[in-house]
Amino acid sequence: NAGVTQTPKFQVLKTGQSMTLQCAQDMNHEYMSWYRQDPGMGLRLIHYSVGAGITDQGEVPNGYNVSRSTTEDFPLRLLSAAPSQTSVYFCASTTGAGRTGELFFGEGSRLTVL
Amino acid sequence: KQEVTQIPAALSVPEGENLVLNCSFTDSAIYNLQWFRQDPGKGLTSLLLIQSSQREQTSGRLNASLDKSSGRSTLYIAASQPGDSATYLCAAVTGSARQLTFGSGTQLTVLP
Repeated sequence: NAGVTQTPKFQVLKTGQSMTLQCAQDMNHEYMSWYRQDPGMGLRLIHYSVGAGITDQGEVPNGYNVSRSTTEDFPLRLLSAAPSQTSVYFCASTTGAGRTGELFFGEGSRLTVL
Repeated sequence: KQEVTQIPAALSVPEGENLVLNCSFTDSAIYNLQWFRQDPGKGLTSLLLIQSSQREQTSGRLNASLDKSSGRSTLYIAASQPGDSATYLCAAVTGSARQLTFGSGTQLTVLP
């Protein structure tokens, strides 16, 4: 019962570096999304995908890229890391009619940008 | 734009008490409302999902209600236990993108 798997769990970057956060789910969910969680601000949607080959922007997409080449994988790329991107990142997936089913989350990736 | 508010931000109760966590939202055109639990350093675990056509959902000692007209949801926890200590978040699903908007959470501590 793997569910939603995120790697790495922890990462430290220097300003300007790039990296990819990996997310994989084994539940054959069509809808996948990335959130960032910051103290006092709750979770905010970065990007989401409603199926392979289809992605769209959420509330805070600037500085991030995504792609969805398979149903299982939804990587999040930081193009040029900035201290403002220090956060905890969560990947989530769901199925259900109209994508309004129960949301399953990964354990999170804690990113620090120096 | 949907806004979700949770009050209080933190709550401490003795073991055995029944308690209510509150969630309010500004846009009543929601598809559903979900309650999650988050333990420190962990991801979110879905507790209850209430579809827009439903008034409440129950799971064990948890009961969640939804009143769309007033923009409110409550999570009732019966006979609280120290193991219930966690942060509880609510999230409303709205819009054509079915976007979840989260509240900032209520940090619950149940004292033995």
